[in-house]
Amino acid sequence: SQTIHQWPATLVQPVGSPLSLECTVEGTSNPNLYWYRQAAGRGLQLLFYSVGIGQISSEVPQNLSASRPQDRQFILSSKKLLLSDSGFYLCAWEGGRTAGTQYFGPGTRLLVL
Amino acid sequence: GDSVTQMEGPVTLSEEAFLTINCTYTATGYPSLFWYVQYPGEGLQLLLKATKADDKGSNKGFEATYRKETTSFHLEKGSVQVSDSAVYFCALSTLGNTPLVFGKGTRLSVIA
Repeated sequence: SQTIHQWPATLVQPVGSPLSLECTVEGTSNPNLYWYRQAAGRGLQLLFYSVGIGQISSEVPQNLSASRPQDRQFILSSKKLLLSDSGFYLCAWEGGRTAGTQYFGPGTRLLVL
Repeated sequence: GDSVTQMEGPVTLSEEAFLTINCTYTATGYPSLFWYVQYPGEGLQLLLKATKADDKGSNKGFEATYRKETTSFHLEKGSVQVSDSAVYFCALSTLGNTPLVFGKGTRLSVIA
């Protein structure tokens, strides 16, 4: 069966510090991968998605970047965090027999102080 | 472009009450429709889905029917429990390799 992991689960970072959040998927090949952000009490904002290694589509120009160095690994980064980067970051995958349905990871809660 | 509109929350119900959360969509083509649930502090879980008109998705006592004529996919449950308290998201998917389109979410609180 397929599983999706995210780490860390919780992160507290000072303004101006770098960020690296990691997402990995097991049990499937060549998934589509997604990064979403959810601000407190708000809906989902799609940040990036990837249909293959090295292929990244950005939905919202901002302080963040994404990379896909391996087939089942998706990384969200920032060189300098802003207060407004605080939120709940969710990774999702889609593909294989369940194409068209996204499955989400447990999320990373980021607090920028 | 494609869009999903769901009823604004929060929705507060007593235990064993009937639940309806409305969801309507606008899409080119023939979308698949989804309901996701997010319990406090957790990621989203797929609750149910339907891929063609008149399909009924169901899970954990929740149901939703794909109504093409009214472009709707309303979520219903006959008797809610405190453990159903969560945020519910309606979403659609059209073409392959394109992201899901989500509604803004509806927060449900069930009180004993």
